[in-house]
Amino acid sequence: EAGVAQSPRYKIIEKRQSVAFWCNPISGHATLYWYQQILGQGPKLLIQFQNNGVVDDSQLPKDRFSAERLKGVDSTLKIQPAKLEDSAVYLCASSLAQVKDEQFFGPGTRLTVL
Amino acid sequence: AQKITQTQPGMFVQEKEAVTLDCTYDTSDPSYGLFWYKQPSSGEMIFLIYQGSYDQQNATEGRYSLNFQKARKSANLVISASQLGDSAMYFCAMRYNFNKFYFGSGTKLNVKP
Repeated sequence: EAGVAQSPRYKIIEKRQSVAFWCNPISGHATLYWYQQILGQGPKLLIQFQNNGVVDDSQLPKDRFSAERLKGVDSTLKIQPAKLEDSAVYLCASSLAQVKDEQFFGPGTRLTVL
Repeated sequence: AQKITQTQPGMFVQEKEAVTLDCTYDTSDPSYGLFWYKQPSSGEMIFLIYQGSYDQQNATEGRYSLNFQKARKSANLVISASQLGDSAMYFCAMRYNFNKFYFGSGTKLNVKP
């Protein structure tokens, strides 16, 4: 079974530029999560999708971050414009359902904003 | 307010010994779930073990067990017979209010040969 795929793995941009990350969850997983993990901290949930609907985006900085999950499969997370404090690893995870099921994580995208 | 507290930023354990990683949580939701994840230096997050708030018995998965003390709101991870490959960051996480997730700040475990 293929795992959660993410691309790119690394990205370096200058502040005020835009960037997009892509995630392909495990086939059949209805729930998809985007996390931000700043160096030395635990992951922080940014947004959660159930199929193609948003379940929770309470911690997403909506003035600059956006995410979509068209057709309930792949998802993209965009930052526009980026700030220095956005430097972090962006993790995508998926699970079969929301409740008990474990989340399977992708390898992450390491973003550096200069 | 912080939902998950991991008070041990770093720990050392001798190979083949057992180690306990502490986790306390705070929620008013009667239905919640507690998870432990391992994050090696390579960066991937690996699921270890799950405990539901209504589960009567402590969860176990191979060398991992979860010491769940509901009244004290603690969910400590016990790793038996530590191996060198256990050296990693360990995160305690909680699902609450049905769809909210919160991760702790993590504990860095170093296993000494």
